[in-house]
Amino acid sequence: RKEVEQDPGPFNVPEGATVAFNCTYSNSASQSFFWYRQDCRKEPKLLMSVYSSGNEDGRFTAQLNRASQYISLLIRDSKLSDSATYLCVVNIGSTASKLTFGTGTRLQVTL
Amino acid sequence: DADVTQTPRNRITKTGKRIMLECSQTKGHDRMYWYRQDPGLGLRLIYYSFDVKDINKGEISDGYSVSRQAQAKFSLSLESAIPNQTALYFCATSDLGSGRETQYFGPGTRLLVL
Repeated sequence: RKEVEQDPGPFNVPEGATVAFNCTYSNSASQSFFWYRQDCRKEPKLLMSVYSSGNEDGRFTAQLNRASQYISLLIRDSKLSDSATYLCVVNIGSTASKLTFGTGTRLQVTL
Repeated sequence: DADVTQTPRNRITKTGKRIMLECSQTKGHDRMYWYRQDPGLGLRLIYYSFDVKDINKGEISDGYSVSRQAQAKFSLSLESAIPNQTALYFCATSDLGSGRETQYFGPGTRLLVL
């Protein structure tokens, strides 16, 4: 079983749609969680951290379920510019040297 | 100007050649990392450095070496390149702002080993 698993997609959605991605992780000792965004042929960039109580940043909402060991990302009112690959990232330690990256879920937002 | 830069951006080399990928940062971060990304796999950590005198192996260090020449510079070397080292390589820096370590990636180096 992979340490961090994501549905690779692609998710093809029309502009304005709401889309949700899930990610599961295997290590129950995982301490912190993140969503990164990676555009085609570009570097990953931090989208948002994921906190235990859930958190929201504009159109983006992240949730964490420690009991079931999954993380979710909800994007509301999708924009064309949201088209990218979304990486689920889990840290089993206290430094970035312990980060485990998922393979990513590709989102394509269409007109 | 970008905060984390990598050179070269693209490189084609032959099996057995020695090559060096360079990373520079202007963010003033102590921590620097080298990753590789392959299709269908997540980013995997090759080496990391918490300061100039601290070098550590990551998940997949075999076949690679690094040098931390200064706080701002972290180089990755392939002593004798082989085709399965063909990948996209990212350098990253990080800080501990807001109590969580946040990483900042360079633009990547595409390496093809023939």
